[in-house]
Amino acid sequence: GQNIDQPTEMTATEGAIVQINCTYQTSGFNGLFWYQQHAGEAPTFLSYNVLDGLEEKGRFSSFLSRSKGYSYLLLKELQMKDSASYLCAVRDDNGATNKLIFGTGTLLAVQP
Amino acid sequence: EPEVTQTPSHQVTQMGQEVILRCVPISNHLYFYWYRQILGQKVEFLVSFYNNEISEKSEIFDDQFSVERPDGSNFTLKIRSTKLEDSAMYFCASSEVGDYNSPLHFGNGTRLTVT
Repeated sequence: GQNIDQPTEMTATEGAIVQINCTYQTSGFNGLFWYQQHAGEAPTFLSYNVLDGLEEKGRFSSFLSRSKGYSYLLLKELQMKDSASYLCAVRDDNGATNKLIFGTGTLLAVQP
Repeated sequence: EPEVTQTPSHQVTQMGQEVILRCVPISNHLYFYWYRQILGQKVEFLVSFYNNEISEKSEIFDDQFSVERPDGSNFTLKIRSTKLEDSAMYFCASSEVGDYNSPLHFGNGTRLTVT
């Protein structure tokens, strides 16, 4: 089966750092992706990991441990506009489709 | 930056009616997808399409659903006889290649309301 778990909600303060965790148990694995989704809008791509370790991209970093089935998204210097849902998604290793399987998302509220 | 476009942005239909949701993927992309998101729930995979045929479909994608790429640019999702539970946001997505580093790019979605 496919199981991707994230906390439902988180709250953080403007200017702070927040870490959003994701654990997964999937039948195949070909990369882990993070997306941001504002209410009523499309998911937008933030980062991906396929090898273990940390990938940094400006204020956003993402970490992967394949042996633990674990990833996190780190957001630094939080801004009010970062209030959104953050979606963890695993890419299937079925080469015919390469679909992403999404977790339920973490709704982040950034407070002043 | 190229983007995936979807029309209409909002569609209201009566139960039992047919609807067609339209998408124009990014022009050099090869893989196309439909996802849906029921309000307050997660983004769910419906179907993937590659090389002019369905490559995978989920349990949600039953006989009431079909996809088509009628020309070189459009990609459509048809629901033959809509049900109340089909009410959701439908996202089209495309990706350049199927490698691990090729993200899916999503359109802005069509909000389907079945009454």
